[in-house]
Amino acid sequence: QQQVKQSPQSLIVQKGGISIINCAYENTAFDYFPWYQQFPGKGPALLIAIRPDVSEKKEGRFTISFNKSAKQFSLHIMDSQPGDSATYFCAASLGETSGSRLTFGEGTQLTVNP
Amino acid sequence: DAMVIQNPRYQVTQFGKPVTLSCSQTLNHNVMYWYQQKSSQAPKLLFHYYDKDFNNEADTPDNFQSRRPNTSFCFLDIRSPGLGDAAMYLCATSTPGGSYNEQFFGPGTRLTVL
Repeated sequence: QQQVKQSPQSLIVQKGGISIINCAYENTAFDYFPWYQQFPGKGPALLIAIRPDVSEKKEGRFTISFNKSAKQFSLHIMDSQPGDSATYFCAASLGETSGSRLTFGEGTQLTVNP
Repeated sequence: DAMVIQNPRYQVTQFGKPVTLSCSQTLNHNVMYWYQQKSSQAPKLLFHYYDKDFNNEADTPDNFQSRRPNTSFCFLDIRSPGLGDAAMYLCATSTPGGSYNEQFFGPGTRLTVL
């Protein structure tokens, strides 16, 4: 019930291409779906997030598409750049009265070739 | 800039020798989290504090303890580190606002156990 499954495990894209990473969740009570970007040796940084009452959210080159009925969401990176090469984690959480528990996907290692 | 700070960034300890990792925050967030991230894996929540209330994850080993003496500081104590405890340890914070969902991560402490 708490799992978040992420694919692909690794992705190689040419500069200027579109990177697409997919996630699926089980717990319909999740109410917040963030994407984190992590560079080697650094902590994860929030990239973009969406709530289940919205089907799409766009911030610059990054777009989340959310399909509530299918319990799936995806990250699209348009015009991918070599500087986007990093590990991307999707996550899901419940906002609880004592804090929230982020359940992370397994991560996607993105490489953008120049 | 308001931020989450972790010290040290790199820590080397010997098998069985207690070690303490430190996290401080200038965000004045009331929730602080500790995650363990092993190589090429997703972060895994160990425990979190809501103010002074401690919330332990069911599968967190007893070897891991935490202290939060005030709002700004939180410590992770590993009483008897084993080789399997070598990992990146991430501290994060969140605040109610609209919800506790958005978590802000520090840069992490890389722990090596010899």
